[in-house]
Amino acid sequence: NAGVTQTPKFRILKIGQSMTLQCAQDMNHNYMYWYRQDPGMGLKLIYYSVGAGITDKGEVPNGYNVSRSTTEDFPLRLELAAPSQTSVYFCASRLGDLGNTEAFFGQGTRLTVV
Amino acid sequence: KQEVTQIPAALSVPEGENLVLNCSFTDSAIYNLQWFRQDPGKGLTSLLLIQSSQREQTSGRLNASLDKSSGRSTLYIAASQPGDSATYLCAVRSIQGAQKLVFGQGTRLTINP
Repeated sequence: NAGVTQTPKFRILKIGQSMTLQCAQDMNHNYMYWYRQDPGMGLKLIYYSVGAGITDKGEVPNGYNVSRSTTEDFPLRLELAAPSQTSVYFCASRLGDLGNTEAFFGQGTRLTVV
Repeated sequence: KQEVTQIPAALSVPEGENLVLNCSFTDSAIYNLQWFRQDPGKGLTSLLLIQSSQREQTSGRLNASLDKSSGRSTLYIAASQPGDSATYLCAVRSIQGAQKLVFGQGTRLTINP
């Protein structure tokens, strides 16, 4: 029972490089989310998706892009990495609005931009 | 805009004590509230989910209460153990902006043997 899987677990990027953080869930959840967590802070929403083909911005979307071509996958793209994007990134999923709407999180990707 | 606050930011207690963690939110129009545990360098583990129509939920030594009208939730941990040491986060799903979870900053709990 894999749940929400994120890859990679760690990554160091140079300023200006780009990368894609991968997120996959095997629970057939409609809703998927990307959050970032800075030291001593709560989680801030970057982007979310309510289903395949539908994405929307959260609180802090600048510098990021997402796509949702399948129910299972929700990759987060960083273009032109900046030191301000050094953070821990969490992907989450949720079934939907009916019944139990518990959110499940991946183990995170720790990203350092130098 | 929903804002979630957790006080205190850090708490240290001796093993065996019962303790309460607090979570407050500004907009009482919510679908549910969820408590998470986060171990250092790890992801979030869901502990309890309380729907807006519920007053409390229990799981083992954990009991979470919800007072929607006053915008407050508490997480009660009975007979604390060193293994309970972690950061505890609460998150609220508001009716407005219902797709999103809004998080508090967490309470870092240390249980001393």
